[in-house]
Amino acid sequence: EPEVTQTPSHQVTQMGQEVILRCVPISNHLYFYWYRQILGQKVEFLVSFYNNEISEKSEIFDDQFSVERPDGSNFTLKIRSTKLEDSAMYFCASNGQGDFYGYTFGSGTRLTVV
Amino acid sequence: SQQGEEDPQALSIQEGENATMNCSYKTSINNLQWYRQNSGRGLVHLILIRSNEREKHSGRLRVTLDTSKKSSSLLITASRAADTASYFCATHLNSGYSTLTFGKGTMLLVSP
Repeated sequence: EPEVTQTPSHQVTQMGQEVILRCVPISNHLYFYWYRQILGQKVEFLVSFYNNEISEKSEIFDDQFSVERPDGSNFTLKIRSTKLEDSAMYFCASNGQGDFYGYTFGSGTRLTVV
Repeated sequence: SQQGEEDPQALSIQEGENATMNCSYKTSINNLQWYRQNSGRGLVHLILIRSNEREKHSGRLRVTLDTSKKSSSLLITASRAADTASYFCATHLNSGYSTLTFGKGTMLLVSP
């Protein structure tokens, strides 16, 4: 069964450093998303991406965050200057039919900012 | 209060028993989805029910939706130890803001 692949599975970074989280969505999917889950809290929406541009973003997704689909297969989330409160599990998701259908999520990247 | 609140927060049952989890929401929705998350893993889509549907089945899963009460339930029949996981409901709103809003989840423990 097709999968959404995320790398790395765990990333430790120093506060103030830039991190790039990588995702390979399912190949024929057109809609891509990043969500995050702080330990013990709800899964929160960050951003959605379609047709090579951001379609929606949440209040969390401020100027420190950016997304890119550089080569037609990878979908990346960059955090420019990490803060302690960015520590969370980050999930990439995709679907092929648009927002109103079930998503396929990756296994996540656990980001720890120290 | 918040969109997509599950109860109970935790549920412990024996293998073979049925598990029922509930989800309540506040605003009008387009659809409601249930996801499972094994510890430290990603979210797995289980089932989607649209606002004009009242009940849906998938294998041992049965989902109901009551839009008048703004609530949904997920029933897992004949539970197995492998069903041990956290279960989340997620709503798609009707407002045009189309992303999923997740609840805090129900942690289900199925003992052999």
